[in-house]
Amino acid sequence: EEQVVESGGGLVQPGQSLRLSCTASGFSFGDYAINWVRRAPGKGLEWVGFIRSEIYGGTVEYAASVKGRVTISRDDSRGIAYLQMNSLKTEDTAVYSCTRALKDSDYYMDVWGKGTPVSVSS
Amino acid sequence: DNVLTQSPATLSLSPGDRATLSCRASRSVLRQFAWYQQKPGQSPRLLIYDSIARATGVPARFAGSGSGTDFTLTISSLEPEDFAVYFCQQRGSWPPTFGQGTKVEI
Repeated sequence: EEQVVESGGGLVQPGQSLRLSCTASGFSFGDYAINWVRRAPGKGLEWVGFIRSEIYGGTVEYAASVKGRVTISRDDSRGIAYLQMNSLKTEDTAVYSCTRALKDSDYYMDVWGKGTPVSVSS
Repeated sequence: DNVLTQSPATLSLSPGDRATLSCRASRSVLRQFAWYQQKPGQSPRLLIYDSIARATGVPARFAGSGSGTDFTLTISSLEPEDFAVYFCQQRGSWPPTFGQGTKVEI
């Protein structure tokens, strides 16, 4: 079964950092781009960022709301993508999900994880 | 950002009914548009991409249409397993954005 599983969420104070992991199984991880999305309490889905496959240069894109504070990376040998979040704000509180992009696509998402919760509070 | 507005918020129907869900973008996205289905406790499932293309394994009763700013997801005859939340997404303008969802309930 093709799946992605997020981990690393938790409760942190404003200004702290957190690294989320997205572990893939059941497919050739290196062939696909990975997106991160989030859903804050009572709000809709928000796209956070994206990393292309190495075939397409492994380049990254970020939403304006997190740019400069987050870094997405990938380790294709381990089948894991990471979302490093720094200088966290209370408004970053959300459930963070990673998604696999449709093959040779970017922002269409055909495999979703269940998400890992991040709570930023003092 | 390109705001996606879905209507109606809730659609109350019965098995066998035809369901028509709408999503309007605040600016044109050409045909770079997708629909997802999410059931309680499950992850979203990609149904339609590029406005009209069905994802792998999606039954033919699901059909997408539209271009520019107005898009429609039609379920020709509702099966019991189709009662869920459906949300739209665009990638035609940066950044990609999502609609708030339409709940299809019995």
